[in-house]
Amino acid sequence: KQEVTQIPAALSVPEGENLVLNCSFTDSAIYNLQWFRQDPGKGLTSLLLIQSSQREQTSGRLNASLDKSSGRSTLYIAASQPGDSATYLCAVRPNTGGFKTIFGAGTRLFVKA
Amino acid sequence: NAGVTQTPKFRILKIGQSMTLQCTQDMNHNYMYWYRQDPGMGLKLIYYSVGAGITDKGEVPNGYNVSRSTTEDFPLRLELAAPSQTSVYFCASSYPGQNTDTQYFGPGTRLTVL
Repeated sequence: KQEVTQIPAALSVPEGENLVLNCSFTDSAIYNLQWFRQDPGKGLTSLLLIQSSQREQTSGRLNASLDKSSGRSTLYIAASQPGDSATYLCAVRPNTGGFKTIFGAGTRLFVKA
Repeated sequence: NAGVTQTPKFRILKIGQSMTLQCTQDMNHNYMYWYRQDPGMGLKLIYYSVGAGITDKGEVPNGYNVSRSTTEDFPLRLELAAPSQTSVYFCASSYPGQNTDTQYFGPGTRLTVL
């Protein structure tokens, strides 16, 4: 059974710092992996989608990497800003079992001004 | 283009009552999903649909029912509400393909069962 784990559960950093959020999954047979952002009381916004054949995706100050063999993905945020404060969730879509998506519990990020 | 809309935003139910959570998307996505999110937890899939007339169970389907009569609408029905169904419910849609499959989420419905 696929399980997704995100460590740490919470992270506080000063503004301007580069940071890495971690995501691990137990079954490497995935179709894709997505990183989402969730602001308090809001829905989720997709940040980056990495297909199983890809190693990384970039969007602005965000870079997500995927290592299927080790069951790991990282989200790198460069030059963090207070507006980056949110919960970041990782989600994998397995190769089997239809189009189901398995989510991690998220990392709550706080960027101090 | 409104994306994914959900109604209501908030609802309080008494144990044993029933209700329907509405979800509509205007992006012509064929895939739609219902998730629940409990405090401090990730999202868990309740039901999903790959097109009008086709639905399937997710991880936590017990106590819920869905229907998909049109591409746009995917309502979630709660029968005999229980306190364990207190949660935030999110609807999402996507158009899976070779380089797509991004899921677009609605703002959520916060449900409390007392």
